Amino acid sequence: AQTVTQSQPEMSVQEAETVTLSCTYDTSESDYYLFWYKQPPSRQMILVIRQEAYKQQNATENRFSVNFQKAAKSFSLKISDSQLGDAAMYFCAYRNMYSGGGADGLTFGKGTHLIIQP
Amino acid sequence: DAGITQSPRHKVTETGTPVTLRCHQTENHRYMYWYRQDPGHGLRLIHYSYGVKDTDKGEVSDGYSVSRSKTEDFLLTLESATSSQTSVYFCAIFRGRGTDTQYFGPGTRLTVL
Repeated sequence: AQTVTQSQPEMSVQEAETVTLSCTYDTSESDYYLFWYKQPPSRQMILVIRQEAYKQQNATENRFSVNFQKAAKSFSLKISDSQLGDAAMYFCAYRNMYSGGGADGLTFGKGTHLIIQP
Repeated sequence: DAGITQSPRHKVTETGTPVTLRCHQTENHRYMYWYRQDPGHGLRLIHYSYGVKDTDKGEVSDGYSVSRSKTEDFLLTLESATSSQTSVYFCAIFRGRGTDTQYFGPGTRLTVL
């Protein structure tokens, strides 16, 4: 079974600064997807960014980028120019690319609470 | 917005009563999922469906059953609710075709007294 570990229960950053959230995972598969989801106080789960394991290039979405280290099984999220609206819980998630019948469910980490200091 | 609604959005019930949560999607997706979210655990998969009447268990399926009689609806039932099932429940759909990503409904907060 796959596991996802987020070792930082809480992080704090000054507005406009850069912050990096850590995620490590354990799997015996070679093909998989990794995701970061944001959960603001509204409770809605919002996809931030996704990465295919077969792609060496790190994914980017505007101010959000990842550092994907496949050999180290590490998948960190960097948020540049932090904004007050970035304050939320952030979850790292894993999914196998191939499964017996179709799409596997996601395996989530426990989350990191990101605080933005004005 | 992935066209997913959940009902009810909030529910308080008593131990031992049956509870059914509904997930409705408007985009004709084949795969649907139920997760629960608890403090210190992230989200954990309860059950999922890969088509009408086709379902399978996830990591934390004990005490839950599901049904899918129509593509658009995926029901989660707690046959006899317990306090340990107090949680926030999320439904998700799998949007493949280039995104290979799950999108989530707004969640249902269930309290079992």
